[in-house]
Amino acid sequence: QQQVKQSPQSLIVQKGGISIINCAYENTAFDYFPWYQQFPGKGPALLIAIRPDVSEKKEGRFTISFNKSAKQFSLHIMDSQPGDSATYFCAASKGSSNTGKLIFGQGTTLQVKP
Amino acid sequence: EAGVAQSPRYKIIEKRQSVAFWCNPISGHATLYWYQQILGQGPKLLIQFQNNGVVDDSQLPKDRFSAERLKGVDSTLKIQPAKLEDSAVYLCASSLASGSAAYEQYFGPGTRLTVT
Repeated sequence: QQQVKQSPQSLIVQKGGISIINCAYENTAFDYFPWYQQFPGKGPALLIAIRPDVSEKKEGRFTISFNKSAKQFSLHIMDSQPGDSATYFCAASKGSSNTGKLIFGQGTTLQVKP
Repeated sequence: EAGVAQSPRYKIIEKRQSVAFWCNPISGHATLYWYQQILGQGPKLLIQFQNNGVVDDSQLPKDRFSAERLKGVDSTLKIQPAKLEDSAVYLCASSLASGSAAYEQYFGPGTRLTVT
């Protein structure tokens, strides 16, 4: 019940295309859903995050769509660029329990071809 | 604003040896986390501190791993003795202690440990 399942494991997109990564969770106590971007040799960097009281959040080319009833959320990268090539992790947290512990998905390796 | 600092960046040791990692969080961040990231997987929380107190160490293998944050700022994670399966990247993260921004965790570059 603590798992966050992420798909696909890898993704290849042409420059200018839309990249879509999906995550599913089981624990309805989760109340914070961030996405992290990780480049080789670097730590994960917070990209965008959403709370379950909204269905969508957009920041620049990055959008999170959240479906509370299906317990799923997804990251959409519009107009994908080669510089977006990285590993993306979704995560979930029971922030209301005041521990802030993040449960991460397995990661998606994105390659954007020029 | 300076980010989370970690050292060393790389470490190679033989099994049964000991190793220590150091982390300096973002200034003002009372909460500090140590995560283990095995190749091809997402990070997994090992231990969480708030100031110098442990909040969650349920996934820390306490027979070989230990961590401390004596003055509520820097932290050290130690492995003794190391096993082959400890080969991973050890990530330190920090966040504010309260408020909506407390959800946001900022990660350091990590220490890549190879146990041979």
